[in-house]
Amino acid sequence: AQTVTQSQPEMSVQEAETVTLSCTYDTSESNYYLFWYKQPPSRQMILVIRQEAYKQQNATENRFSVNFQKAAKSFSLKISDSQLGDTAMYFCAFMKGGSQGNLIFGKGTKLSVKP
Amino acid sequence: GAVVSQHPSWVICKSGTSVKIECRSLDFQATTMFWYRQFPKQSLMLMATSNEGSKATYEQGVEKDKFLINHASLTLSTLTVTSAHPEDSSFYICSAHEGPSSYEQYFGPGTRLTVT
Repeated sequence: AQTVTQSQPEMSVQEAETVTLSCTYDTSESNYYLFWYKQPPSRQMILVIRQEAYKQQNATENRFSVNFQKAAKSFSLKISDSQLGDTAMYFCAFMKGGSQGNLIFGKGTKLSVKP
Repeated sequence: GAVVSQHPSWVICKSGTSVKIECRSLDFQATTMFWYRQFPKQSLMLMATSNEGSKATYEQGVEKDKFLINHASLTLSTLTVTSAHPEDSSFYICSAHEGPSSYEQYFGPGTRLTVT
C-alpha cells in the first residue's frame, strides 16, 4: 500500500521569502504521479504542480517548483517570493499510473505567509 | 480548465432526515468520481469511488447504507446521506477523473453539511 507523509503540520514564512514544504512517500510502483494541492480558506482544492515519476526533470510552475528525489522517495515543494495569497493548507498526493485515479493524500501542511 | 460543480454549497438539515449532494462535471465526461470527507484542519478522507453505471466502491469503515452514491451518467454523481445525525456534519468534496489515460482529478468546491 502507498503512503504519503508530510512531517510539517504548520509553517510560516515572511512575504517575499522562500519556503520549502516536505513530503515523502512509499510505494513499490514504478509508474505513478505526485501532486501538490493547495486548499485556501475557501476550501476549493487547487492543483499547484504535478510530477510524473518517469521524468527526471523537476517540475516548475512559475514561483512553485519541486525537488523530486525518486530514490529517496521525496517530493518537496519550494515556493519562491511568497505572497499573502499563498496562505493555505498544502497537501502532497500520490496517484498510481493507469489507475482509476485514486489519490492518496498526506495530512497536510498549514502555511502562513506573514506580511 | 475542467470544471466540477457541487450543489448545494452548504446545507442544514434536521437529525433523521436525508440530504442529497450533487456533483457534476461541466465540460468533460468523468469515468470515475470520488467522494471525500474532510474534518476541520484534517486531510481529505476518501469515502467511495463511483464509476458510471456500476455500484460504488466504499472505503473500509464507510457505511454504504448510510452514504448512498449513484453515478447515473458520465457527468453526474450524487451522494445521499440517509438518516443524518450530528456526527455526519462535515465538509464533503467530490472530484472527477476522465479515465485511466488521465492523471488529473478535478475537484468540486465542496458542500458543508450541518445536521442539527
